[in-house]
Amino acid sequence: GENVEQHPSTLSVQEGDSAVIKCTYSDSASNYFPWYKQELGKGPQLIIDIRSNVGEKKDQRIAVTLNKTAKHFSLHITETQPEDSAVYFCAAKGTYKYIFGTGTRLKVLA
Amino acid sequence: NAGVTQTPKFQVLKTGQSMTLQCAQDMNHNSMYWYRQDPGMGLRLIYYSASEGTTDKGEVPNGYNVSRLNKREFSLRLESAAPSQTSVYFCASSEWWGEDTEAFFGQGTRLTVV
Repeated sequence: GENVEQHPSTLSVQEGDSAVIKCTYSDSASNYFPWYKQELGKGPQLIIDIRSNVGEKKDQRIAVTLNKTAKHFSLHITETQPEDSAVYFCAAKGTYKYIFGTGTRLKVLA
Repeated sequence: NAGVTQTPKFQVLKTGQSMTLQCAQDMNHNSMYWYRQDPGMGLRLIYYSASEGTTDKGEVPNGYNVSRLNKREFSLRLESAAPSQTSVYFCASSEWWGEDTEAFFGQGTRLTVV
């Protein structure tokens, strides 16, 4: 069935450094790839997304890249800050539903 | 703006008890979803409703039933709770299954089955 693999499961970086999270999806029909941030005790919230007709998208300190041929997409966070500490989920949307990765717990060390 | 509202926020059940998790959205979305979140396993889709009047199984539907009561509301029922159903449950909605737009999540229901 469809699945999304996400790596790493945990990531610790020093404040000011960059963080990269990578995902691979299996469903060739997926055309929409959102990234969600989940803070403690809350539901996931969208932080950035990319559609299959775009290779890269940037929003301030966060960027997402997509390689549709290889079925890879990645989240890049630059100049990390303590408030970036959270769990991040990638997802791939096919026709009807969103399939999520297993999440990455990012810790930004002050 | 309320967005997606789930009730209750916390619940403890005894094995074999039943309960219904409620979800309502006020964004006029057509599609709604139920996920469960377990450590190390991310968000797994239990059931979804692509549009009012339709429901379909996701990855882990066993032990659950759903009802799309109307366009706003999508409930999840556990008929006979088991300890394996201890989890955090999230309801989500999106504008239309045919559109590539974000899903909005509720704050979750933390369920413990003892």
